[in-house]
Amino acid sequence: EDQVTQSPEALRLQEGESSSLNCSYTVSGLRGLFWYRQDPGKGPEFLFTLYSAGEEKEKERLKATLTKKESFLHITAPKPEDSATYLCAVQAWGAQKLVFGQGTRLTINP
Amino acid sequence: NAGVTQTPKFRVLKTGQSMTLLCAQDMNHEYMYWYRQDPGMGLRLIHYSVGEGTTAKGEVPDGYNVSRLKKQNFLLGLESAAPSQTSVYFCASRPGGRLNEKLFFGSGTQLSVL
Repeated sequence: EDQVTQSPEALRLQEGESSSLNCSYTVSGLRGLFWYRQDPGKGPEFLFTLYSAGEEKEKERLKATLTKKESFLHITAPKPEDSATYLCAVQAWGAQKLVFGQGTRLTINP
Repeated sequence: NAGVTQTPKFRVLKTGQSMTLLCAQDMNHEYMYWYRQDPGMGLRLIHYSVGEGTTAKGEVPDGYNVSRLKKQNFLLGLESAAPSQTSVYFCASRPGGRLNEKLFFGSGTQLSVL
């Protein structure tokens, strides 16, 4: 069974304090790994797709990386507006659905 | 461009009542999905559709039915609501193609079943 585990569940940082969120996964054959951002009371918003180990993608202060067993979302010099829940999901080859992790709730204090 | 619109935003039901959640997208997307989000469980797929007139079961389909009579609309029905169906429901859509890349989500419906 495909599974996604995210850690930590919650993370508080000071503005400017860099850190990383972890997404560990097991999947029969990885078609893609996805990162989404979710603000309170809203639906998830797409950030990145990663397809193969070693791949990296960046967007502003966020960088996502992928290995054969996990993905990291690195946040560099975060700002309060980066506060949100970050969701990781995987899709297996031949599967229609995404399997989501429980998310990491990130709070950036000014 | 409205994107994905869900109605209603909030609803309270009594056990045994029925209701329909409406999802509408104006992006001409082929694929549409219904997810539920529960604390500690992550998003779980209920039903999905790969095109007008088609539907398929997802991970947690029991107690729900869906219909996609028009390409832009995807309806989720609860025939006899149960407290276990208290959740936040999200609709999502994407263009046709091989990947689930870049799902577009609505803002959710918060449903409480008493």
